[in-house]
Amino acid sequence: GAVVSQHPSWVICKSGTSVKIECRSLDFQATTMFWYRQFPKQSLMLMATSNEGSKATYEQGVEKDKFLINHASLTLSTLTVTSAHPEDSSFYICSARDLQDRTNEKLFFGSGTQLSVL
Amino acid sequence: GENVEQHPSTLSVQEGDSAVIKCTYSDSASNYFPWYKQELGKRPQLIIDIRSNVGEKKDQRIAVTLNKTAKHFSLHITETQPEDSAVYFCAASLAGGYQKVTFGTGTKLQVIP
Repeated sequence: GAVVSQHPSWVICKSGTSVKIECRSLDFQATTMFWYRQFPKQSLMLMATSNEGSKATYEQGVEKDKFLINHASLTLSTLTVTSAHPEDSSFYICSARDLQDRTNEKLFFGSGTQLSVL
Repeated sequence: GENVEQHPSTLSVQEGDSAVIKCTYSDSASNYFPWYKQELGKRPQLIIDIRSNVGEKKDQRIAVTLNKTAKHFSLHITETQPEDSAVYFCAASLAGGYQKVTFGTGTKLQVIP
């Protein structure tokens, strides 16, 4: 299947700093990438849909000024957590679909980023 | 928007027994239903999926059934093995690259050797 690379896999930062997470589709192109947040023992909650060359679409309740998303190319989307606070500590995971996949249905996930804000 | 409910939240079975996880969805327009397996600290892995024009799909020990009328679908794992232990998520979406996927709340499956 298609491979989605996500970095870093874990990060510890001080409160008030910003953290950037990268999501790359390694062997396929993705017009759209999705960013999820997952708390321990809970489901994946969609934060935003990242669209190449245009603004991201945020889910209700997600602050777009706090979670900045940039999708500059067909293979790279970034999520920046600005002015991070302890309550932002979570597992963040990106996903993408393969444009070349005829059905364009299967969602492939990155390996996730565990963010801990001190 | 779409809402996906999943039951049970935890499931323990003896090795070799079958496990069944059930999900319901709210949006009748949804036409693609994947199942993901997630081991602790790892990414979700697609294990099987089904489209709305199919009622059942099987892949070795894993099968999924879909009832469009009732808007529910189920995952069946036969001859369970310890390595099947993980959290399983059902999901629903419209087919299409930009369509978002809504996940169920997850089922923690424990297979007891």
